[in-house]
Amino acid sequence: RVTLRESGPALVKPTQTLTLTCTFSGFSLSTSGMCVSWIRQPPGKALEWLALIDWDDDKYYSTSLKTRLTISKDTSKNQVVLTMTNVDPVDTATYYCARVLHSSGHFDYWGQGTLVTVSS
Amino acid sequence: EIVLTQSPGTLSLSPGERATLSCRASQSVSGTYLAWYQQKPGQAPRLLIYGASSRATGIPDRFSGSGSGTDFTLTISRLEPEDFAVYYCQQYGSSPPYTFGQGTKLEIK
Repeated sequence: RVTLRESGPALVKPTQTLTLTCTFSGFSLSTSGMCVSWIRQPPGKALEWLALIDWDDDKYYSTSLKTRLTISKDTSKNQVVLTMTNVDPVDTATYYCARVLHSSGHFDYWGQGTLVTVSS
Repeated sequence: EIVLTQSPGTLSLSPGERATLSCRASQSVSGTYLAWYQQKPGQAPRLLIYGASSRATGIPDRFSGSGSGTDFTLTISRLEPEDFAVYYCQQYGSSPPYTFGQGTKLEIK
C-alpha cells in the first residue's frame, strides 16, 4: 500500500527558510521510473506544482520558483525534502507531496498535506 | 509553459443531472498526459482520470474523460451527492513543469 506523509513547521517567519519532509512507503525511489513531487495550494486557491525528483536524482522545478527551491532525497529513509528560501506571506499554503510515475505524468498517490503559514 | 483554462468556474446542478466540465490548453497536449482530479474540502486531491480517458482505480464508471489536442472534457453522467466538489485538470509536457487548471467548483443547485 502506497502512503505519503508531509511534515514540517506550521508557522514560519518572513525571510526564513522553509524545510518540508515527505516520508513515503509502499514504493522505492531507487526503482526506475519512480518520482516524487511537491505541489502547494494557497487557501481557497488552485493547485500549483513546485518540484519533482526522480529515481535517477534528476530534479525539476517550477519556472517561477526555481531560484528559491531545492529538492533532495534520502532513499534509505524513504524521504524527499523540499526547501524554500526567503519565504513570504504569499507562500502560505497547504503543501502536498505526491508520487508520479515517470512514464505517466499524473499524480496517483498524495499525502494529506501540511498547512504552512508565513507570518511574523 | 502550457496554461490550462477550466470552465465554467462554478457549475450548479442537482443530483441525478449530467455534469460537463471543460479544460482548454494554450497549446496542444498529448492526451496521454492529461489528468483530472477531484478535491473535497479539507482533503487532498484524488486522481479520477489519466491519459485523458482512463479511469483510475476505484473510480465509478459515471466519471468519464474525453478530448484531444487543446480541448478536454470530464463528464459525470448522473451526479451523486458525493460528487459535489472542486475538479482540476492537469497536464504533463515532454518534460516538467506540470500545470494545473484553476478548477471548477461543482455545487448543489
